[in-house]
Amino acid sequence: GAGVSQSPSNKVTEKGKDVELRCDPISGHTALYWYRQSLGQGLEFLIYFQGNSAPDKSGLPSDRFSAERTGGSVSTLTIQRTQQEDSAVYLCASSPTSGRGETQYFGPGTRLLVL
Amino acid sequence: GQNIDQPTEMTATEGAIVQINCTYQTSGFNGLFWYQQHAGEAPTFLSYNVLDGLEEKGRFSSFLSRSKGYSYLLLKELQMKDSASYLCAVSPPGYSTLTFGKGTMLLVSP
Repeated sequence: GAGVSQSPSNKVTEKGKDVELRCDPISGHTALYWYRQSLGQGLEFLIYFQGNSAPDKSGLPSDRFSAERTGGSVSTLTIQRTQQEDSAVYLCASSPTSGRGETQYFGPGTRLLVL
Repeated sequence: GQNIDQPTEMTATEGAIVQINCTYQTSGFNGLFWYQQHAGEAPTFLSYNVLDGLEEKGRFSSFLSRSKGYSYLLLKELQMKDSASYLCAVSPPGYSTLTFGKGTMLLVSP
């Protein structure tokens, strides 16, 4: 079946602009995660959605970052007033539930470059 | 908090065996994952350990010692396609998110 998809695959923007990144999880997966991967760094957790529960936003680095998940499926990560340090690969993952040991399936990522 | 350490890079020869270590200090522990990530691609699941011991899956095996906060990924009969970054990740209790190490870049040469 189809895996996690993300769009765009690459995004170049100017400092100060807003960007929106999209994630389509695997159909039927209730849990959705956003991570950020900077050069030479590990994956950094940003935000987590589980069903209709309030999202866990504890990983968002600043109030310029926000995310929503409509209808329990597609998610959009928005970065306002982008800064050069926001340049990274943004990875989305989904899992069937949020149970312990549940494998997360990752999308190919969006490579964001802020000039 | 969580702290996960793994070597930055390793090199090995085709056909050889390589062991990638991961140590962690966490305020709690639910289990440990290993993911493989080829350059420019998404991480893909390799293994999950929650109990002490060795889990074998084909050419790849993963070991966990909870008391020592230590895990390793063992790759046998290395192939060129095994050149990738290997990510160790810990699942803390009460959370569904994962805390990742920085990854170990493995280069397999002929």
